[in-house]
Amino acid sequence: GESVGLHLPTLSVQEGDNSIINCAYSNSASDYFIWYKQESGKGPQFIIDIRSNMDKRQGQRVTVLLNKTVKHLSLQIAATQPGDSAVYFCAENKSGGYNKLIFGAGTRLAVHP
Amino acid sequence: KAGVTQTPRYLIKTRGQQVTLSCSPISGHRSVSWYQQTPGQGLQFLFEYFSETQRNKGNFPGRFSGRQFSNSRSEMNVSTLELGDSALYLCASSSDWAGELFFGEGSRLTVL
Repeated sequence: GESVGLHLPTLSVQEGDNSIINCAYSNSASDYFIWYKQESGKGPQFIIDIRSNMDKRQGQRVTVLLNKTVKHLSLQIAATQPGDSAVYFCAENKSGGYNKLIFGAGTRLAVHP
Repeated sequence: KAGVTQTPRYLIKTRGQQVTLSCSPISGHRSVSWYQQTPGQGLQFLFEYFSETQRNKGNFPGRFSGRQFSNSRSEMNVSTLELGDSALYLCASSSDWAGELFFGEGSRLTVL
């Protein structure tokens, strides 16, 4: 498949461990944040989102944490599986910004059996 | 429900040519956004259309243009291609703004 990014930071974890992927966002006016997963040869796939009036949101095996003080976002994946191997992007938007998302550089997650 | 469909999936052009990429959004979605993805610059916003109107634009030169039709299908055009335009061009659709974006698999453009 196509290479999404040749020099992305890589997080290597063992299958079954928990993964934490971090992201620093750029715009203090942003009030909507999203995590996307991109597998090789595919487009980004929505994982979970959070609005700025929250600091934590949970989904199925995933949790997003938002720290507006330091403009930091994290994605926690519980019991990481080989199928979680992909590149993960955070994205930010602000009210009135319509669908103009600003994406982070991405982190490659490699899950080893 | 069919996902976002982009055509063509792969294409090769030479410098100076122009290219048109097509995107069919999810049925019922009126917002279509375009993004360029390269290893060096990552994912960058090109423009967004809603009900045939461009309502947001990224920082790309005028060689990059787009349009949306009454059935919400969208096209983007790049004229006078440069080597640096080689990228994966992604289309995303949404029912409204700042909502969940659904991405297609992209059109991989190579400029020689």
